[in-house]
Amino acid sequence: AQSVTQPDIHITVSEGASLELRCNYSYGATPYLFWYVQSPGQGLQLLLKYFSGDTLVQGIKGFEAEFKRSQSSFNLRKPSVHWSDAAEYFCAVGPISSGSARQLTFGSGTQLTVLP
Amino acid sequence: NAGVTQTPKFQVLKTGQSMTLQCAQDMNHNSMYWYRQDPGMGLRLIYYSASEGTTDKGEVPNGYNVSRLNKREFSLRLESAAPSQTSVYFCASSDTSTGRNIQYFGAGTRLSVL
Repeated sequence: AQSVTQPDIHITVSEGASLELRCNYSYGATPYLFWYVQSPGQGLQLLLKYFSGDTLVQGIKGFEAEFKRSQSSFNLRKPSVHWSDAAEYFCAVGPISSGSARQLTFGSGTQLTVLP
Repeated sequence: NAGVTQTPKFQVLKTGQSMTLQCAQDMNHNSMYWYRQDPGMGLRLIYYSASEGTTDKGEVPNGYNVSRLNKREFSLRLESAAPSQTSVYFCASSDTSTGRNIQYFGAGTRLSVL
């Protein structure tokens, strides 16, 4: 069964500092990988996705993530955090398939606090 | 662009009451999903619908029923609400014809069962 682990429940960084959120997955083959962000009281917004090809993917709001097959990781990074980045971040994994729905498996989330 | 629309946004029920959560998408997606979100547990899939006319159980289906009314609409029904169903419920949709299953989420329904 596939699983996703986000080892950091809560991270606090100062505005302007760099950020790395960790995500490790367990899956039998190379999956599709996603990062979503959830602002308070809102739904989930897709930040970025990895399907194949270049292992460093760029997303919205200046975020990037790197797929490392050997480490089964897909960590999210941002060089300089803004106060508006305070939110909860979810990593998700999904199987490569076609023609029918396949569920995504989500991590338990990392809450990001940004200090002024 | 509406995307995925959920109603209601908030609901308070008493134990044993029933209700239906509504979800509609305007992106012509074939697949739709219902998740629940509880603190520290991420999102867990309740039911999904691969296409109009089909539904399948997810990880936590007990106590829920769903209906894929047409391609646009996918409803979630609680027949007899229990306090354990207090949660935030999210509907999502995706176009799986490409195999890539990028899911787009609604804003959620916050449900309290007393």
